[in-house]
Amino acid sequence: KAGVTQTPRYLIKTRGQQVTLSCSPISGHRSVSWYQQTPGQGLQFLFEYFSETQRNKGNFPGRFSGRQFSNSRSEMNVSTLELGDSALYLCASSLGTGPPYEQYFGPGTRLTVT
Amino acid sequence: AQKITQTQPGMFVQEKEAVTLDCTYDTSDPSYGLFWYKQPSSGEMIFLIYQGSYDQQNATEGRYSLNFQKARKSANLVISASQLGDSAMYFCAMRGSSSGGYNKLIFGAGTRLAVHP
Repeated sequence: KAGVTQTPRYLIKTRGQQVTLSCSPISGHRSVSWYQQTPGQGLQFLFEYFSETQRNKGNFPGRFSGRQFSNSRSEMNVSTLELGDSALYLCASSLGTGPPYEQYFGPGTRLTVT
Repeated sequence: AQKITQTQPGMFVQEKEAVTLDCTYDTSDPSYGLFWYKQPSSGEMIFLIYQGSYDQQNATEGRYSLNFQKARKSANLVISASQLGDSAMYFCAMRGSSSGGYNKLIFGAGTRLAVHP
């Protein structure tokens, strides 16, 4: 069974631009969660989608948004990029409806904002 | 509020020996789950093991076992017979109903493990 895929793997953007990151979950998984990882703040939850609905949102500004499609693929968007948005963005896939609760992560997208 | 604490920023172990990585948690949820992930320098988070708060037995997955002590609110990871490939960052994480969703994970700061030959 294929794992979680994220595209692109690396991205360099300029301050003020916007960016879209993509995540394809494991086949059969309906929940996708997004996390931001930085050296200073560690791993922080961004949001979770289940069956095309945002089920939970972390403490991030409105510049961070996401969506999920009917095939469970998810995208997150960051508008008006700031230098502090430079981070590793990880998505996690799970069944989403109860046990088993295991979440499997993709390889991440490393975003650099200059 | 939920919180995960990993007090060991770095650990080292000799190849083939066992090592314990510490994790303590704080939650008021009656039902919660604890995870351990491995993150090599490549960045990918690799799922290692999961323990549910109502599971009667400690979880084990190959060389990984979770020493779950509910009264002490600790969920330490034990790696037996360490290998050079075990050198990585290790994160303890928790999910719970009060976190606002099924799958929101709260992570600790991580422990960097170095395995020496």
